This record gives sequence, structure tokens and C-alpha cells, in this order.
Amino acid sequence: EVQLLESGGGLVQPGGSLRLSCAASGFTFTNYGMNWVRQAPGKGLEWVSSISSGGDGTRYADSVQGRFTISRDNSKSTLYLQMNSLRAEDTAVFYCATSPNTGGWFFQHWGQGTLVTVSS
Amino acid sequence: EIVLTQSPATLSLSPGERATLSCRASQSVSSYLAWYQQKPGQAPRLLVYDASNRATGIPARFSGSGSGTDFTLTISSLEPEDFAVYYCQQRTDWPLTFGGGTKVEI
Repeated sequence: EVQLLESGGGLVQPGGSLRLSCAASGFTFTNYGMNWVRQAPGKGLEWVSSISSGGDGTRYADSVQGRFTISRDNSKSTLYLQMNSLRAEDTAVFYCATSPNTGGWFFQHWGQGTLVTVSS
Repeated sequence: EIVLTQSPATLSLSPGERATLSCRASQSVSSYLAWYQQKPGQAPRLLVYDASNRATGIPARFSGSGSGTDFTLTISSLEPEDFAVYYCQQRTDWPLTFGGGTKVEI
């Protein structure tokens, strides 16, 4: 069974940093691209960032470009999101999600999410 | 950026009725469109990918159609568990984008 378990969320002050993790199990991690998608309270879904299966290709939404860094450790089957210079508008539930290597960038499996709150 | 517009914003129906949800793209996305279902307090779930392919384990009452700029998700006969918010998403170009969602309510 595919399992994605996010962690690392919490309350942080504006301008602060946070690192999210997503521990994957139940599938061959290296066969999937990985993504972060977020959802502000009461709002819709917003794609944040994607990384290729080998970790050599990354993409970012304009809203986080230069502030967030996606990475993965395939030896640990874990995805990361380093978030710096956080703003109030980054407050959201952050989900990690898989994308099949050969099938394109849609979101096949999702974690349950971790809440990030940016507030003073 | 490809903008996806979903309509209607809210669909009020009864169990057993047919639901037709629309997603329109600001430019062609070929057939690279997916649909997701999200219930309150839960993560989204993939229903359909590449316009018409049902994801694993998704009941046959869910079907997707369309290509280019106009897409439809049809739920042939609503079950009580189908009342939720539905999102479309394109993977043709970066940034990946979602529609604003359609809430299917009783």
C-alpha cells in the first residue's frame, strides 16, 4: 500500500524557515517524480514544486521561486521542501504527491498533509 | 500560465442524479487533464487522468471526456459519498495549474 507521511509543519514567524519532509513507503520511490501541493485555509489547490525521479530536474511556482527548495533522498525514500523567507500567504496545508515516471505530471497518490502557519 | 475555469462553482443535486462538471482551459492542453475529488478534512484523490482514464479503484460511474480546451467529468448516478469538491488540473505546461473547483452538494 502506498503511504506518504508528511511532517515538519508548524507555527513560524514571518521571515522564518521550515523544512517539510515526506516519508514514502509501499512503492518504488525512484520510479516516481514527486511534488508539493498546498491548500490555503478554505481555498483551492495550488501546485508548489516538482522534482524528477532522479532528483536532477526541479520546477517551482513563481510564488515560491527563490524561497523554497525541493529535494529528495532516494536512499531514504524521502522528499523534502526547504522553505525560507516565509510569508503570511504561505499559510496552508502542504501535501506531497507522486507522479508516475512515464505518465506525466499529474498527482497519483497523496499524503494527508502537514499544516504550516506563518504568523507573528 | 494556463488558466482552468471550472463551472458551475456549486452543483446542487440529489443522490441518484447525474452530475456534469465542466473545466475549460485558456489554451489547448491536448488531453493532459486530470480530475480530483476532495472531501472535507481529507487529501485530494485522483479520479481521472489524461482526460478519460479512470485511476485505479475509481468506480465506473465516474467518467471523463474532452480534449483541447473543453473537458467534462460526469458522475452517472450520485452516491452519498460523492458529495465533495472536484478539481481539474493540467499537466501540459509549467506551471502546473488547477481549476478553482466545483462543489457538489445535496
